[in-house]
Formats: sequence, C-alpha cells, structure tokens
Amino acid sequence: DTGVSQDPRHKITKRGQNVTFRCDPISEHNRLYWYRQTLGQGPEFLTYFQNEAQLEKSRLLSDRFSAERPKGSFSTLEIQRTEQGDSAMYLCASSSKRERLLEQYFGPGTRLTVT
Amino acid sequence: AQSVTQLGSHVSVSEGALVLLRCNYSSSVPPYLFWYVQYPNQGLQLLLKYTSAATLVKGINGFEAEFKKSETSFHLTKPSAHMSDAAEYFCAVSPTGNQFYFGTGTSLTVIP
Repeated sequence: DTGVSQDPRHKITKRGQNVTFRCDPISEHNRLYWYRQTLGQGPEFLTYFQNEAQLEKSRLLSDRFSAERPKGSFSTLEIQRTEQGDSAMYLCASSSKRERLLEQYFGPGTRLTVT
Repeated sequence: AQSVTQLGSHVSVSEGALVLLRCNYSSSVPPYLFWYVQYPNQGLQLLLKYTSAATLVKGINGFEAEFKKSETSFHLTKPSAHMSDAAEYFCAVSPTGNQFYFGTGTSLTVIP
C-alpha cells in the first residue's frame, strides 16, 4: 500500500492554457474521487468514478473540466482554457469496496496557479 | 442541499486540556458523518466515521465524536490535547455514501 499519488505536485500555467493532472489511487481501490480546495475552504466535490465509470459530477464543474479513468486504475483531470479562478489545490482520493467504501484515502494534491 | 457548518475557524487549547471541535450538518435523513485531519503539507487523513451504528464513535489518536440526531451535530472531542494534535480538522457529511460535503475546517492550535 503506497498511498494515493498525484502528479505534478505544483503547476503554474498562463490563463487560457490547458492543464492535465494525474492521480494514481491505492492499488485495487475501485472508487476514485476528485476534489478542489481553495484557501480557507474545505474540499469541494468535483466528480467520482467507480472503476472506469464516472458516476457523479458536481453541477459546479464547468464544461472546461473533464475527468477520465480509462482502465479503472489511474485517473486524469483536465482543465481547458484555464482561468484565474481555477487556481486551487486539486485533491484526489480513493476508497475500496464493501465495509471500507466510505473511508477515503487522500493524495497530497496538485497545487494549480493560473497567472 | 447538504451542508456542514464548523463553528470556529480557529480553536486554541492548552496542552492537556479538552479539545472540542464543533460540527453541525443539515440533512433530511441521518447521513454518514466523518472527521478528517490535515497536517501541514500532508493529505487529509480519516479520523473517524459514523455510519448509523453506535452514536459514540471512537477514532484514531484518542479522538471521538458523538452523533446527536436531535441537534444535528457531530462534535469531535479529545480529553487531553497533545502538541501533535495541532492541525486543520474537517467535518464531512455524505447523504448516500457517494458525494461528500466538507465544512470549511477548524485550525487547532495547542499551546504548551
């Protein structure tokens, strides 16, 4: 169990550019979540996958955001045409099934700065 | 809509004193409830969870929380604060176990 990893840890980009983040969940965890956290706030739910299926997506998630989990293992979160308001910490979490389904393990996050 | 309110964005306690971090939720049905801790430069870590079993839930590091349906509360307590408890604490609620809603967090400072 090596924990949830995220790459990159930091990303600085110019407004209008596209960025992609990667999350590697704990091996064999079938649920994967993406959150966004801004300064002074708690994590805000963006979307989650069960295996490769994206089951729920926040209404707050604009069309510029897309997430994939093609083989039910790692996931990517892409933000197109970034805006300054996208600057935040993007968190990934995973959980296993059955009795431990509700126990999310969080990665260290990717800090995005849009200039 | 689900929401979580954490009263007090900053709480300071003396080492050895009682820790009490408050959390109230809004939900039409008893939800799943959680407390997470975030140490500086680390990811969030689950402290404890309530899933409709015992109303008093014991977690890691000596923390516990009590679910009170009549008060829609899930306050976190620890009898004796330790310096290592200094961190950010987040309360979270999930109505169905799918989407999770977090509070704005409480920063705990432990004074030696």
